[in-house]
This record gives sequence, structure tokens and C-alpha cells, in this order.
Amino acid sequence: GENVEQHPSTLSVQEGDSAVIKCTYSDSASNYFPWYKQELGKRPQLIIDIRSNVGEKKDQRIAVTLNKTAKHFSLHITETQPEDSAVYFCAASIKGSQGNLIFGKGTKLSVKP
Amino acid sequence: GAGVSQSPSNKVTEKGKDVELRCDPISGHTALYWYRQSLGQGLEFLIYFQGNSAPDKSGLPSDRFSAERTGGSVSTLTIQRTQQEDSAVYLCASSLEVFGRQFFGPGTRLTVL
Repeated sequence: GENVEQHPSTLSVQEGDSAVIKCTYSDSASNYFPWYKQELGKRPQLIIDIRSNVGEKKDQRIAVTLNKTAKHFSLHITETQPEDSAVYFCAASIKGSQGNLIFGKGTKLSVKP
Repeated sequence: GAGVSQSPSNKVTEKGKDVELRCDPISGHTALYWYRQSLGQGLEFLIYFQGNSAPDKSGLPSDRFSAERTGGSVSTLTIQRTQQEDSAVYLCASSLEVFGRQFFGPGTRLTVL
């Protein structure tokens, strides 16, 4: 079946450093790639998304890049802050489903002050 | 309300009992999704409703799981003859359009004893 692989599973950085989380997907027809942030005990919140007709999208300290040929996309967080500490999930849309997203298993990001 | 709401917030039940979980999406959102999140795990897609179209049930783990969406708004997820492995947080989300930003509810934590 379709699959989304996410790496690393855990990531620890010093405050101010950059963090990069990478995802690969298997369905070449995927055309929508959101990223969600989930703080402990809270619901997932969309932080950024990208569609397949765009290679890069930026929103302040957060950016997402997409390589459709290689079927991978990445989340980049610059100037990390302790409040960035959370679990981050990538997702990819699935062909043949009007709304189905397949999620990666998540990356636990810890930003040390 | 302003966001997606779910009830109950917590549900403890005995193995073999049926449970009903409720989701109130954001008014005007045509798409509604149910996910399951086991402790420390990612989001597992269960079912998706879009307008009046037949729901995408491809993620339902067994025939004990079913869901309805009445009047294009409120949805209920029913789990019959609950098993201990059904214990998880069940998250509902809605979006204005297909592959639009999904807004998540707070979840229902289901514990099957």
C-alpha cells in the first residue's frame, strides 16, 4: 500500500540552530503535502503545506521543499526556539481518494535552551 | 462554535460494549475526517466524508467500525464489540474543501478495559 516515511524519529537541537525533517512518499500521484505540529496532549495543528505545482514555500521561520522527481519533501525550521519543541507529522495525499492523507510516524523535536 | 468539537472527551468502556463518538465540524466545512492515534504513534486515517458523496471507508480497521454523517454536518463514529486494541485517541478533523487545511478537534480518549 501507499506509504510515507519520516526521518528522523527524534531530533534534538540547541536553541537558535536549524532543524530539518525529511519525508518520502510512494504514490507518484500525491499532490498535497501538509505538515502538522502536535504539542504534548494537544491536537495537531497545520503549520505549513505545499502543493505539487510548487517547489518551495516559506512562512517566517518555517519552510517546506518538495522534490517530485525524488518523491520527497522536507520541513526546515530556522532559529529554533524552545516553543518549537513538539512532534511534527508530515502527510501526503493518496491517489484515488478524494481526501485521504497518509501520515508519517512523526518526529519528536526537542529544542534545548 | 469556532472550532471542531468532539464528545465525549474521555470514554472508558468494558470489552465487548459498543461506543459512539461524536464530532461537530466547523460550520460550512464540507469535508470531515476521522483518525485514530495510539499512544506515541502517528495518525491513522479511518474514514472521510465529502459533501453528499459516498464516504471513503478505506481506513476502517474492521467491520466493527462504522461512521455516519447526518445532514452534511455532525458525524458519529461507532465501534461495536470494543476490544482492548481499540484504545486510542480518536481525532476528528474538517476542512473547507478537498485537500484544504484540516482543523482538528480535541479528540476523544477511548479506554477499553
